[in-house]
Amino acid sequence: EIVLTQSPASLSLTPGERATFSCRASQRVSGDFVAWYQKKPGQPPRLLIYGASTRATGIPDRFRGSGSRTDFTLTIGRLEPEDFAVYYCQQYGSWLTFGGGTKVEI
Amino acid sequence: QVLLVQSGTEVRRPGASVMVSCKASGYTFTKFGITWVRQAPGQGLEWLGWINNNNGNADYAQKFQGRVTLTTDTSTTTVYMEMTGLTFDDTAVYYCGRDLDTIVPTVGDYWGQGTLVTVSS
Repeated sequence: EIVLTQSPASLSLTPGERATFSCRASQRVSGDFVAWYQKKPGQPPRLLIYGASTRATGIPDRFRGSGSRTDFTLTIGRLEPEDFAVYYCQQYGSWLTFGGGTKVEI
Repeated sequence: QVLLVQSGTEVRRPGASVMVSCKASGYTFTKFGITWVRQAPGQGLEWLGWINNNNGNADYAQKFQGRVTLTTDTSTTTVYMEMTGLTFDDTAVYYCGRDLDTIVPTVGDYWGQGTLVTVSS
């Protein structure tokens, strides 16, 4: 099973700042099949990025995914108030696993 | 529009079973799979399994093999997730999601509202 480690576990930022967080896989992710989700309390997951760098439908261009093989990154260009949430990476190159999440708080 | 509507809150005793439904609408049901994840209180997301709505084939996370069963009813565009042998650790919100693929589990682009399953004695 591919284990995904996200860092940092939490991040304190202010609106307008840039956020960058990491997702490291325990082995190469086939096809760079990595996705990123946003999760808020009481809401379902929201797909942001798939295929490491493809934005899902309706996702603003301030969200950018990058990376390959074992190291992947999600960058939020300028934080909006609604972006404060927990972000999860997920790999689907070999079955499907999630990282532990990064909490972005004000 | 794409809509996934899940059944309501469930409370079960340890050792019991639970079935959660997920009714899909707004798209061609058999062209997408349905994936299931859960989130226990204070924990992260955990994948349970996925079903191909075209032929009913399902794949499960190793942890849930033999304890979770996914079934699909194309006549009502509804997927069912049954979990047996419930323990306190199964207390969580369960989500179904439309999977982008019909061949293998990939990513969920639309999600149901979630179903709280509480296991309590």
